[in-house]
Amino acid sequence: DAGITQSPRHKVTETGTPVTLRCHQTENHRYMYWYRQDPGHGLRLIHYSYGVKDTDKGEVSDGYSVSRSKTEDFLLTLESATSSQTSVYFCAISQGGNQPQHFGDGTRLSIL
Amino acid sequence: EDQVTQSPEALRLQEGESSSLNCSYTVSGLRGLFWYRQDPGKGPEFLFTLYSAGEEKEKERLKATLTKKESFLHITAPKPEDSATYLCAVQAGGSQGNLIFGKGTKLSVKP
Repeated sequence: DAGITQSPRHKVTETGTPVTLRCHQTENHRYMYWYRQDPGHGLRLIHYSYGVKDTDKGEVSDGYSVSRSKTEDFLLTLESATSSQTSVYFCAISQGGNQPQHFGDGTRLSIL
Repeated sequence: EDQVTQSPEALRLQEGESSSLNCSYTVSGLRGLFWYRQDPGKGPEFLFTLYSAGEEKEKERLKATLTKKESFLHITAPKPEDSATYLCAVQAGGSQGNLIFGKGTKLSVKP
């Protein structure tokens, strides 16, 4: 398995609270991505990073922010969680270009 | 608009019964087409990358092929352990690795 660790693996929280998900890699890959996966939808890109402190928005970025202060860590923050953000969140890494992305095992987030 | 459509949504096979999964795509300048396998409660596991029409890749009982409009994942003599959801994704030209995923095909192989 690619060295990708997501934490926490499961989280239940209440509407309006802030939530931060962490993705940690040991592969020294330049690119890191956050996706969400919902029934009836394919994986959808939230944000991605192409280097330390270099990030950009994906298809479904509203309500989310990210930070990358070190190569190995990529954080996803929900500033004020809403029930529509209940989902499974996956982190992925790649070497860039048209190289494949490798995924972590996800964080299941429930917002009540 | 870049788009990926996978069919069928679900497929039930008997062990040993070969079949194919389809991934149709529209994308501005294909940089790569990727196949993944996803087991319940796990992240997608990379299987293949195809870069140009006519290309084929094989791994055990799986073979992926690519044309200008679609890709097929052929499964030969499947076993129960091949049961999973298979995801197809494309990378458009000019993107920084952003993938567009289909909704997947859920494959069940019965002994």
